[in-house]
Amino acid sequence: EDKVVQSPLSLVVHEGDTVTLNCSYEVTNFRSLLWYKQEKKAPTFLFMLTSSGIEKKSGRLSSILDKKELSSILNITATQTGDSAIYLCAVNAGGTSYGKLTFGQGTILTVHP
Amino acid sequence: NAGVMQNPRHLVRRRGQEARLRCSPMKGHSHVYWYRQLPEEGLKFMVYLQKENIIDESGMPKERFSAEFPKEGPSILRIQQVVRGDSAAYFCASSQQNTGELFFGEGSRLTVL
Repeated sequence: EDKVVQSPLSLVVHEGDTVTLNCSYEVTNFRSLLWYKQEKKAPTFLFMLTSSGIEKKSGRLSSILDKKELSSILNITATQTGDSAIYLCAVNAGGTSYGKLTFGQGTILTVHP
Repeated sequence: NAGVMQNPRHLVRRRGQEARLRCSPMKGHSHVYWYRQLPEEGLKFMVYLQKENIIDESGMPKERFSAEFPKEGPSILRIQQVVRGDSAAYFCASSQQNTGELFFGEGSRLTVL
């Protein structure tokens, strides 16, 4: 069975800190890894990674995939209170549907002022 | 440009009743996915539909659950004879093409008494 594991499960930091969230996976026929941010309601898309070693960046957020280690990290620099959310990692493991994702349990990030 | 719309946002049913959850995808999106989030668990894929077709229902329980996405109107997730274990948040997501970049609705929270 496909499996995605995130760590840590929760993290509390202060504004300005840098955080690194981890995601590891065990899937057959890996196709892509995705990161989502969930703030109480709908998860919103952050990144999709398919190639190892290539960093995706958006503002203070960045992510990189290591296919050899079957893992990915999500970095957030200079954290703000608005970054408080659940960060979800998900993997697509082939088949007819690119949107059929196996999600990890999420990392709850709390940023204090 | 409205996002993915789900209704009802909250639904309370007694054991044995039927629950119908509706999802209108983003404009121009013809790919719809349903996910379920049980308490303390990650999102779990249920079903993937395109207009009038079920493409992948491998995550859907074999009994009591059904989904449709008619030519006109929203996608419907139907749960017959609900049991307490069906209590969960049901998320709908849509995409324009068959990619992993999903746009999620805010979810429908089903409580079975």
